[in-house]
Amino acid sequence: RKEVEQDPGPFNVPEGATVAFNCTYSNSASQSFFWYRQDCRKEPKLLMSVYSSGNEDGRFTAQLNRASQYISLLIRDSKLSDSATYLCVAKTGTASKLTFGTGTRLQVTL
Amino acid sequence: DTAVSQTPKYLVTQMGNDKSIKCEQNLGHDTMYWYKQDSKKFLKIMFSYNNKELIINETVPNRFSPKSPDKAHLNLHINSLELGDSAVYFCASSQNDRAPGTQYFGPGTRLLVL
Repeated sequence: RKEVEQDPGPFNVPEGATVAFNCTYSNSASQSFFWYRQDCRKEPKLLMSVYSSGNEDGRFTAQLNRASQYISLLIRDSKLSDSATYLCVAKTGTASKLTFGTGTRLQVTL
Repeated sequence: DTAVSQTPKYLVTQMGNDKSIKCEQNLGHDTMYWYKQDSKKFLKIMFSYNNKELIINETVPNRFSPKSPDKAHLNLHINSLELGDSAVYFCASSQNDRAPGTQYFGPGTRLLVL
């Protein structure tokens, strides 16, 4: 079983829609979580950290459920420019190692 | 004034050759990383250095040898290249090893081994 699992998608949604991605992690010792965004043929970029209390950044909301070991990302009012692959990331242990999920692809259409 | 830069961007080479990829960051960060992203888009850590010291060494063939001459540079040398080494290699940096969640990635080096 992969340490961080995501539905690969693609999720095809119209502009303006709300879309949510889930991600599950297998190691209960994982301490910190992040969402990264990767555009086609580009490098990953940090989108947001995920806090236990949930956090929001504009149209993006991230939630963490430690009991069920999943993380979610909600995107409201989708824009064409949101089309990308969203990578769920977990940090486990004291080392500086991040474990990346394989990503969920989002395609926003007109 | 790119934050994390890598050279070359593209590398096409024959099996058995030796090649190097260079990475530099101008962010003043202490920690640098090498990742491999395969054809299935799975991004996996290979190595991490903190202030020129190796702190993460994942299960990577010893044909791969990282070198950090100073904390702003982390190079990757690959000996005896194999077909399975074809991938995109990303360099990244973070302020230090205690806050690795915020990493800045370079643009990637696309390696194709023929």
